[in-house]
Amino acid sequence: GAVVSQHPSWVICKSGTSVKIECRSLDFQATTMFWYRQFPKQSLMLMATSNEGSKATYEQGVEKDKFLINHASLTLSTLTVTSAHPEDSSFYICSARWQPNTGELFFGEGSRLTVL
Amino acid sequence: AQKVTQAQTEISVVEKEDVTLDCVYETRDTTYYLFWYKQPPSGELVFLIRRNSFDEQNEISGRYSWNFQKSTSSFNFTITASQVVDSAVYFCALSGNTGGFKTIFGAGTRLFVKA
Repeated sequence: GAVVSQHPSWVICKSGTSVKIECRSLDFQATTMFWYRQFPKQSLMLMATSNEGSKATYEQGVEKDKFLINHASLTLSTLTVTSAHPEDSSFYICSARWQPNTGELFFGEGSRLTVL
Repeated sequence: AQKVTQAQTEISVVEKEDVTLDCVYETRDTTYYLFWYKQPPSGELVFLIRRNSFDEQNEISGRYSWNFQKSTSSFNFTITASQVVDSAVYFCALSGNTGGFKTIFGAGTRLFVKA
């Protein structure tokens, strides 16, 4: 149980286009999902907390208009990188909390975005 | 504020050696969780262990063991008889109640196990 699936695994796009990444909890309902970004050889940086039915909470320094997060259902959160530029190239990882109060996260496989 | 420090950036060992990865954390939360995750070259994050702040018992799982010391705010991870397949980046992470259980990660320790 507690499987989180992320799609696509990798995507290459042209500068200026928008890219959507999906994060699904396959066998449980996740009221809260988290989006992380990881640059090569660096740690995971929390970008935002995605709450089902409400607006996402962004970490300081993360551009809300650049990284649009939607959590339309209890099993799906999406991250849209708008007007992508090469500096947005990164590994994006989503996670979901299975049990509300344990803090334990289950991670998706990650999505590697390359913007040309 | 919460913080996780993994002072060891890279460690290189020869197969069958034991290796300990250090993790020191800072938090003001009374209820918190500590985690270790493994990230192999393929990129996915593999959950290894969770420990809550009220449980200081050490844990052993096969070749892996964890030492949680609240007095020193440390949660160290030891791999016994390391294998080449253990080569990966290992992240220590912290999640606390006042932060809405947001999980923050340490910088990670890259472990190389040579045959």
